[in-house]
Amino acid sequence: QKEVEQDPGPLSVPEGAIVSLNCTYSNSAFQYFMWYRQYSRKGPELLMYTYSSGNKEDGRFTAQVDKSSKYISLFIRDSQPSDSATYLCAMRSARNDYKLSFGAGTTVTVRA
Amino acid sequence: SAVISQKPSRDICQRGTSLTIQCQVDSQVTMMFWYRQQPGQSLTLIATANQGSEATYESGFVIDKFPISRPNLTFSTLTVSNMSPEDSSIYLCSVVGGGGGYTFGSGTRLTVV
Repeated sequence: QKEVEQDPGPLSVPEGAIVSLNCTYSNSAFQYFMWYRQYSRKGPELLMYTYSSGNKEDGRFTAQVDKSSKYISLFIRDSQPSDSATYLCAMRSARNDYKLSFGAGTTVTVRA
Repeated sequence: SAVISQKPSRDICQRGTSLTIQCQVDSQVTMMFWYRQQPGQSLTLIATANQGSEATYESGFVIDKFPISRPNLTFSTLTVSNMSPEDSSIYLCSVVGGGGGYTFGSGTRLTVV
């Protein structure tokens, strides 16, 4: 079993729809949770960074963490064609090695 | 957040040769990370590079194959040695940002023929 499992997609949604992305994990030591966006032929770009359980909102993006269920989500409201990209979840424990564990990524296409 | 300049952005190499990838950060950072991203797969950590000490390699990666240098707090190189087609992948460097998130370079797309 992989340490981080991410819904594989791909997802194709019409412009304006809500995009829902999810990851589950098995390591209860994970404390820090991140979502990255990666455009084709580019490096991952940090979208959201959260610590422990709870919700965090930034513009059209909302990240949710449920540590009791070992489940994290990213919601994109009012999706735009420019949101078409691969989204990666990542997480790490509080250990000083700062090692990240990644999901495999979900490719999202927003149709105009 | 830090800005990373990674080069080359892509290369096509003959099997048996070596390629050195460079990452330059615009600020001093303690830890730099090197990842491999194969098509349709997660980012896999190759090694962690700290200035002034040998890199720490993850299981499945060895120094002879992926030697790393970290001469100062803003620069690191990863060499992919004695390449085979299985080494074709995207290689990325990364640093921890001030807010806790990580910044990545733009990646090196390597094709071995």
